[in-house]
Amino acid sequence: AQSVTQLGSHVSVSEGALVLLRCNYSSSVPPYLFWYVQYPNQGLQLLLKYTSAATLVKGINGFEAEFKKSETSFHLTKPSAHMSDAAEYFCAVRAGGNEKLTFGTGTRLTIIP
Amino acid sequence: DTGVSQDPRHKITKRGQNVTFRCDPISEHNRLYWYRQTLGQGPEFLTYFQNEAQLEKSRLLSDRFSAERPKGSFSTLEIQRTEQGDSAMYLCASSLTDSRGAEAFFGQGTRLTVV
Repeated sequence: AQSVTQLGSHVSVSEGALVLLRCNYSSSVPPYLFWYVQYPNQGLQLLLKYTSAATLVKGINGFEAEFKKSETSFHLTKPSAHMSDAAEYFCAVRAGGNEKLTFGTGTRLTIIP
Repeated sequence: DTGVSQDPRHKITKRGQNVTFRCDPISEHNRLYWYRQTLGQGPEFLTYFQNEAQLEKSRLLSDRFSAERPKGSFSTLEIQRTEQGDSAMYLCASSLTDSRGAEAFFGQGTRLTVV
């Protein structure tokens, strides 16, 4: 079975501050991990993905995430928050030949001017 | 190609009515997925197709739900005898078969409201 836990349903940061969104996964086999962003009334857009190559993955809009097997984590970071980063962020896992993505419950990111 | 397209974007229906949604995937993608997202939750898997074959269905997909993908191109999701609990965003996604973890590209979704 595969699952994802996102710690913190709401995160607020000041504009220009570090963004850290937490994701822990559970999988009995090496996983593929994804971060998606969703703006209101929109579909999901891929930010970045981990596919067992480099453990530090860089994505769009200045986001990056580090795969840590020992901690079963895949936290998303951005050095300096921008107002346009305000959105809902979802971590997802796919593993073991399972074709479906399993999503976390999401983290709503608010940027304080 | 403009990405995954879903129609309609919004649907309001009375309880007990049937509704049908359409998804047009990215043209070269052989896999197509349906997810459901309720308020404040992440998307939940419903079903997926590889070409025209429906390979997996979630237990969330009750007998009132049916999905098709004739000829391996567009797909339809039909909900019969809608209930208020069916109100949600229905998301379609497509991808290419890829052993290195190909990402799924999502459409903008169809928001269903059952009144």
